[in-house]
Amino acid sequence: GAVVSQHPSRVICKSGTSVKIECRSLDFQATTMFWYRQFPKKSLMLMATSNEGSKATYEQGVEKDKFLINHASLTLSTLTVTSAHPEDSSFYICSAIGTSGQTQYFGPGTRLLVL
Amino acid sequence: AQSVTQLGSHVSVSEGALVLLRCNYSSSVPPYLFWYVQYPNQGLQLLLKYTTGATLVKGINGFEAEFKKSETSFHLTKPSAHMSDAAEYFCAVSYLIYNFGNEKLTFGTGTRLTIIP
Repeated sequence: GAVVSQHPSRVICKSGTSVKIECRSLDFQATTMFWYRQFPKKSLMLMATSNEGSKATYEQGVEKDKFLINHASLTLSTLTVTSAHPEDSSFYICSAIGTSGQTQYFGPGTRLLVL
Repeated sequence: AQSVTQLGSHVSVSEGALVLLRCNYSSSVPPYLFWYVQYPNQGLQLLLKYTTGATLVKGINGFEAEFKKSETSFHLTKPSAHMSDAAEYFCAVSYLIYNFGNEKLTFGTGTRLTIIP
């Protein structure tokens, strides 16, 4: 199946700094990418949907100025957590859909810890 | 609004025994239903999906699930558990279908399956 990678897999940062997480589709072109957040023992919560070359669509309650999403190419989307706070600590997962539009392929996730 | 409930955050079965992971959903429109599996340190992998047609859906690794509208359920089963089945399993329902594949997914909280040797 198609492969989606995320980098970094784990990041620890100080409160107030910004952190960028990359999501790459390695062997297919991703027309749409999704960003999810997973709290411990909780569901995956969709944060936003991004289409290549256009602005991301954020879910209700997600701060677009806090979580900046860029989908600049068909193989790369980035999520930047700006001015991170401890409550932003979480597991962030991306997924991607190719041009066939059939299945979401998920990345392995990035664990963010804000001190 | 759509929601998904997975009964049992942890399920343990003996190797060779039946696997049954429960999923119930609520949806105001006909749902599309999915089961995903997540192995440690890996992404989610699609096991199977129900869209329309036959209510018994067969997926990879010997898993299958049956859509029961009257019970609003989509339970996942496998006749004989294998050690390699140990993982986290997520049930999901889609909503706001743009076209198939661009579905937004609402996930359950997940069930961790442990296989006892």
